[in-house]
Amino acid sequence: KQEVTQIPAALSVPEGENLVLNCSFTDSAIYNLQWFRQDPGKGLTSLLLIQSSQREQTSGRLNASLDKSSGRSTLYIAASQPGDSATYLCAVRRGGGFKTIFGAGTRLFVKA
Amino acid sequence: DTEVTQTPKHLVMGMTNKKSLKCEQHMGHRAMYWYKQKAKKPPELMFVYSYEKLSINESVPSRFSPECPNSSLLNLHLHALQPEDSALYLCASSLGTSGGREQFFGPGTRLTVL
Repeated sequence: KQEVTQIPAALSVPEGENLVLNCSFTDSAIYNLQWFRQDPGKGLTSLLLIQSSQREQTSGRLNASLDKSSGRSTLYIAASQPGDSATYLCAVRRGGGFKTIFGAGTRLFVKA
Repeated sequence: DTEVTQTPKHLVMGMTNKKSLKCEQHMGHRAMYWYKQKAKKPPELMFVYSYEKLSINESVPSRFSPECPNSSLLNLHLHALQPEDSALYLCASSLGTSGGREQFFGPGTRLTVL
């Protein structure tokens, strides 16, 4: 059974700091891994999608990496801003179907 | 148009009511999903439709009844719900049946069952 874990559960950093969010999964037979952002009470915004054959994806200040063999992904946020404050979720789509398993998320607070 | 829309935004219903949640996308996506999210928890998959056919039902109680009338529209019919069903209900869609497709989410419907 696929399990997805995100560390840390919460993180508070000063504005301008570079930071890394971690996601680990137990079954390496995945189709893709997707990082989302969720503001309180809102829907999910897709940030980056990494296919199982890829190692990393970049969008603006965000860089996500994937190491399938070790069951790990990281989301790197450069030069953090108060507007980055949100919960960040990683989600793994397992092989053989549509089921997506989410991690519990990392709540990020960027202080001005 | 890269948007998934959901109506209503908020819904309050009694345990004897019947109501429906609606989700719509015009991106030509052929897979659509319902998720349930409790406070401070990750989303949990409920149903998946692929090409308007139900592909996955994650052992959801029958008081939740999904419907996909066409490729752009997904409904979730609610009947005889319990207070513990109160949650944020999220709809998502992806391009096709390939597992590698990116999912796009709507803003959700906040459901409160009294």
